[in-house]
Amino acid sequence: EAGVTQSPTHLIKTRGQQVTLRCSPISGHTSVYWYQQALGLGLQFLLWYDEGEERNRGNFPPRFSGRQFPNYSSELNVNALELEDSALYLCASSPIPNYGYTFGSGTRLTVV
Amino acid sequence: AQTVTQSQPEMSVQEAETVTLSCTYDTSESDYYLFWYKQPPSRQMILVIRQEAYKQQNATENRFSVNFQKAAKSFSLKISDSQLGDAAMYFCAYRSAWGDDKIIFGKGTRLHILP
Repeated sequence: EAGVTQSPTHLIKTRGQQVTLRCSPISGHTSVYWYQQALGLGLQFLLWYDEGEERNRGNFPPRFSGRQFPNYSSELNVNALELEDSALYLCASSPIPNYGYTFGSGTRLTVV
Repeated sequence: AQTVTQSQPEMSVQEAETVTLSCTYDTSESDYYLFWYKQPPSRQMILVIRQEAYKQQNATENRFSVNFQKAAKSFSLKISDSQLGDAAMYFCAYRSAWGDDKIIFGKGTRLHILP
């Protein structure tokens, strides 16, 4: 069984640019979660998608957005990049709540 | 709002010894799930162990076990016979059994294994 896959693994962007990160959940998982892991700040919840709908979002500005496609894959978009957006972005999927998440390997975003 | 606190930013243990990582949480809910995740340098988050709040019995997975004290809102992880491959960041996490579906993570404890 393929795990959660994320692409790209690394990227470097310039302040003010826009970026799109991609995530494919485990087959059969309908929920996708996005987290930001900035240095020293732990994992901060960004977005939760289920059945194509945004179910919840964390305390992040509107320039962080995303969507979920009919095949349950997901994109995270960040507009007007700022230096503090540099972080590891983790995607996870879950079949049902009590099983916890299965995470992807993340996308390391560096904003210069 | 629920919070998860890990008071030990870093810990070290000798190989083959036992180490306990601490975690406390705050919630007004009675039904929830608790997790320990491991993040090695490869950065892949790996689920180590989970505990349902309604179960009094402490969860165990091979060398990993928890001490779940619901009244004290404490959820510590014990690693027995520590191995070099156990070196990683360990995150304690909470998830409500109802409603809001996100997992809330502590800030992590970096565990060093000394050969």
